Amino acid sequence: EMQLVQSGGGLVQPGGSLRLSCAGSGLTFSNYWMQWLRQVPGKGLVWVSRINGDGTKRFYADSVKGRFTVSRDNAKDTLYLQMNSLRAEDTAVYYCAREAYSSGWYGDWGQGTLVTVSS
Amino acid sequence: EIGMTQSPATLTVSPGERATLSCGASQRVSSNLAWYQQKPGQAPRLVIYGASTRATGIPARFSGSGSGTEFTLTISSLQSEDFAVYYCQQYYDWPVTFGQGTRLEIK
Repeated sequence: EMQLVQSGGGLVQPGGSLRLSCAGSGLTFSNYWMQWLRQVPGKGLVWVSRINGDGTKRFYADSVKGRFTVSRDNAKDTLYLQMNSLRAEDTAVYYCAREAYSSGWYGDWGQGTLVTVSS
Repeated sequence: EIGMTQSPATLTVSPGERATLSCGASQRVSSNLAWYQQKPGQAPRLVIYGASTRATGIPARFSGSGSGTEFTLTISSLQSEDFAVYYCQQYYDWPVTFGQGTRLEIK
């Protein structure tokens, strides 16, 4: 059974940094595009970032471009999101997700991790 | 960026009845439309992709239809476990975008 298990997150001050991780199991991790999405509690889902299987192609939402960096370590079957210069508006639950067949829809999701940016 | 609009915001239905949820796109997205179910404190779960294809493990009471700009998710006979928030998502163009959700509540 395919699983994505997230770690990281927590409370950070504005301007601070945080790294999220997403460990995959039960799949050939390197075969898949992976994503980060976020959701303000009680609100809708927003796409944040996307990375291809070998890590050579990376895409970002305009709202995080230049501040967030997506990466992966396929030897560890792990996806990362390095978040720098965090702002209050980055406060959300962050999800990693596996993109099915490079299609843009998401068949498997991590459990989510809350990031709170506040002083 | 393609805007997605869902209606109604809240739908109140009795168990055993049919629920019909709507999703509209600000421009044509062909059949590149997915539906997700989300329960409190949980990650979204894929229900439908390709506008009408049920995801693995999704019961036959769930069906999706539509193409272009108008889409519908129908749950034919609501079970207690179906009450949740449902989101539509277009993946025709990047960035992918989601609707604001329809909350399906028990009557």
